[in-house]
Amino acid sequence: QVQLQQWGAGLLKPSETLSLTCAIYGGSVSVYHWSWIRQPPGKGLEWIGEIYQGGRTGYNPSLRSRITISIDTSKKQFSLTLKSVTAADTATYFCARGLTRKSPLDTWGQGTLVTVS
Amino acid sequence: SYEMTQPLSVSVAPGQTATITCEGDSIGRKNVHWYQQKAGQAPFLVIYRSDNRPSGVPERFSGSASGGTATLTISSAQAGDEADYHCQAWDGDTSFFGGGTKLTVL
Repeated sequence: QVQLQQWGAGLLKPSETLSLTCAIYGGSVSVYHWSWIRQPPGKGLEWIGEIYQGGRTGYNPSLRSRITISIDTSKKQFSLTLKSVTAADTATYFCARGLTRKSPLDTWGQGTLVTVS
Repeated sequence: SYEMTQPLSVSVAPGQTATITCEGDSIGRKNVHWYQQKAGQAPFLVIYRSDNRPSGVPERFSGSASGGTATLTISSAQAGDEADYHCQAWDGDTSFFGGGTKLTVL
């Protein structure tokens, strides 16, 4: 049974860089697509992007200029970096797993609340 | 950008059937996934590819999609079904979520 455990700084100032990491326990890394999703307080979910197949990435066009998703297969971890944050980036950030592009996200991390203030 | 519209809230009496819709351009041609999210928790997959139920999800949960609407149906609703429900679909190389629907069982 795969589990995802995520961590990162919870409080940032405007213009700083958000950095989150998600560790993969109990499953293969290379087979799956690994995604980041965020949810502003009281609002819906927003897909940030994904990484798969040896480092290929797909990003939400609305965030592409500020985000980087990377993976360290030896550590079984993948990470999200979001530059130049503003208050609008305040959200709970989730990591998640899908089998392929367009597959459902069948496993989620616990979420990390990031506040920009 | 692909938009999917969900009602903000749906109410259902215990034991009755709840229907939650997700409207989007030709959404019936897309693979729509549905997630349940209880307060303070991560989303949980309840329906995938429009009408498939993961193992362990009660048969009370079902889905369908046609034309411009995808639908999540919860029959014999229980208090434990109270949650936010989110639809998800892909348009090209980008994934999108609906705005979420709060289901109240009262």
